[in-house]
Amino acid sequence: DIQMTQSPSSLSASVGDRVTITCRASQSIGSYLNWYQQTPGKAPKLLIFAASSLQSGVPSRFSGSRSGTDFTLTISSLQPEDFATYYCQQGFTTPFTFGPGTKVDIK
Amino acid sequence: EVQLVQSGAEVKKPGESLKISCKGSGYSFTSYWAGYWIGWVRQKPGQGLEWMGIIYPSDFDTRYSPSFEGQVTISVDKSINTAYLQWSSLKASDTAVYYCARGSLHYDVLTDSVKGPFDNWGQGTLVTVSS
Repeated sequence: DIQMTQSPSSLSASVGDRVTITCRASQSIGSYLNWYQQTPGKAPKLLIFAASSLQSGVPSRFSGSRSGTDFTLTISSLQPEDFATYYCQQGFTTPFTFGPGTKVDIK
Repeated sequence: EVQLVQSGAEVKKPGESLKISCKGSGYSFTSYWAGYWIGWVRQKPGQGLEWMGIIYPSDFDTRYSPSFEGQVTISVDKSINTAYLQWSSLKASDTAVYYCARGSLHYDVLTDSVKGPFDNWGQGTLVTVSS
């Protein structure tokens, strides 16, 4: 299976901050990297697919990028509703493994 | 509007069987060309997401994670646009929330692989296994 790692595992930030989360794949996955947001008690929600494509309806403050097997999710200006856990997932080959998650909470 | 509606919470004893469901609406559930799969994801209490497997309702092509193969069965009833996840003998370690999700995937014929994201999710089904 392809292993996905994320850093940091958690971070504290304030409203208006720029936040960056990194995900690394254990082998080449092309641009088949997805980002999901999950708030407590809710189902995950797709934010970014294919490394940098914004899912319909997702605010433009979210963006994604790729450099080789390293991927980045950036929130340009953190909003109160963005405090959540973020997961990356490779969609290159089954099993579509998830990263361990990054919890973003309020500083 | 695409919707995936899952069956309600379950409380079971170890050794019992269980089948939970996920009904899709608002899109072409069984179209061969649309590329919509249904997948299942486990989330144990306080833990992350684990990908279990997917099924293509059009032709029943099913792919499991090695971690779950033989432990669960994924199936679909095309006549009612519903996918299922079932266990023949539950264990306490199966206690978790189970999500279904629509995979908007494309098929790579050269590698017999599918690729893409889960773009719509069900609300989750809590399964509690306790004696």
